[in-house]
Amino acid sequence: DAKTTQPTSMDCAEGRAANLPCNHSTISGNEYVYWYRQIHSQGPQYIIHGLKNNETNEMASLIITEDRKSSTLILPHATLRDTAVYYCIVGDGSGNTGKLIFGQGTTLQVKP
Amino acid sequence: GAVVSQHPSRVICKSGTSVKIECRSLDFQATTMFWYRQFPKQSLMLMATSNEGSKATYEQGVEKDKFLINHASLTLSTLTVTSAHPEDSSFYICSAILVSTDTQYFGPGTRLTVL
Repeated sequence: DAKTTQPTSMDCAEGRAANLPCNHSTISGNEYVYWYRQIHSQGPQYIIHGLKNNETNEMASLIITEDRKSSTLILPHATLRDTAVYYCIVGDGSGNTGKLIFGQGTTLQVKP
Repeated sequence: GAVVSQHPSRVICKSGTSVKIECRSLDFQATTMFWYRQFPKQSLMLMATSNEGSKATYEQGVEKDKFLINHASLTLSTLTVTSAHPEDSSFYICSAILVSTDTQYFGPGTRLTVL
């Protein structure tokens, strides 16, 4: 079973920041928080991941709480092309099994 | 980011035939790859872990004799759906771990339709 909980769906206005929450209260000390997104009929696209510290790249920012039990993915200026299913997943990278178990994700609808 | 390809992107076959799907890591070597299946309006379901040079590890409920996995090189894993039936019709997706970044990259997927 997936170890994360996400809202089923969210809406965001184009040009505004999209903040996608994720709960992972049972995360282990060696597990990362990964975010992927999937646009219809395509393979998941990697967005960002982190262990303890907040992370930022050209696509998004990842804010992880100090106790690591939850995180937020931030898309700073959402566009219509950001409409997708966003998956928050915890995994141990290449450390042990490397498995990623997908939950149902959050369907983000960016509206004009 | 690292690139993973799959071939073919879509395939249609008759019931009872076998279909092979290839997964390649194009710009990195991957000792570990994964195979997923996704039915319409559902999330990805992990089928098996493919390790270079050793037998694949299958998730509970996945028939290893039906879904044959071979990981013969550091850049190629193949999934063969044997004696395919209409219920095997699905979207099959592979992924590969880039060890240097502890990140898994996914292929574009293969749409299998069994008539």
